[in-house]
Amino acid sequence: DAKTTQPPSMDCAEGRAANLPCNHSTISGNEYVYWYRQIHSQGPQYIIHGLKNNETNEMASLIITEDRKSSTLILPHATLRDTAVYYCIVSPRARGGSQGNLIFGKGTKLSVKP
Amino acid sequence: NAGVTQTPKFQVLKTGQSMTLQCAQDMNHEYMSWYRQDPGMGLRLIHYSVGAGITDQGEVPNGYNVSRSTTEDFPLRLLSAAPSQTSVYFCASSYWAGGRTGELFFGEGSRLTVL
Repeated sequence: DAKTTQPPSMDCAEGRAANLPCNHSTISGNEYVYWYRQIHSQGPQYIIHGLKNNETNEMASLIITEDRKSSTLILPHATLRDTAVYYCIVSPRARGGSQGNLIFGKGTKLSVKP
Repeated sequence: NAGVTQTPKFQVLKTGQSMTLQCAQDMNHEYMSWYRQDPGMGLRLIHYSVGAGITDQGEVPNGYNVSRSTTEDFPLRLLSAAPSQTSVYFCASSYWAGGRTGELFFGEGSRLTVL
């Protein structure tokens, strides 16, 4: 399974863009990149996912490099409520019964400061 | 919109006791799963199911049983609780297509303490 590497923590000023990096250098062609976040001790919340094209929704933008070995989640105007742990996940390659399960790492703790 | 509902939210057990964590979803999702989260750690997959009558093991299945008799419900059973099972448990559901999940919807968690 492709693994991801994220910085353990980041700070961002309120109102500025938060750029969260993720390295997934062993990603294979049929694997997607997913981003989730977990605010305090709540259940994780889906943010966005993509395969190779950049994606944007009402929450964030996902920029995937052309070689797909890394990606960046962008929160365009971070607010205090965006303080959370952000997880970058690569969907595992098909392998019998374990297809499609999302494996969460430790993520990046983003602190948005006033 | 109920989404994914977990009960109980809090539970204290003694070592050796058994209990069932309940999870129900009203979105007609084929895929359901259980994760546990220990302090300062990410989520680890315990068991999952891709439809009624179908279950499989995740990363950390030992000490837990599951069954899926209906699309809506996916209970997690601890047959003989151990202190190492003290954790926060999250249930999640999603559609299932082409061997992949879509957006995972999570419950609010069940906080279990085993003394």
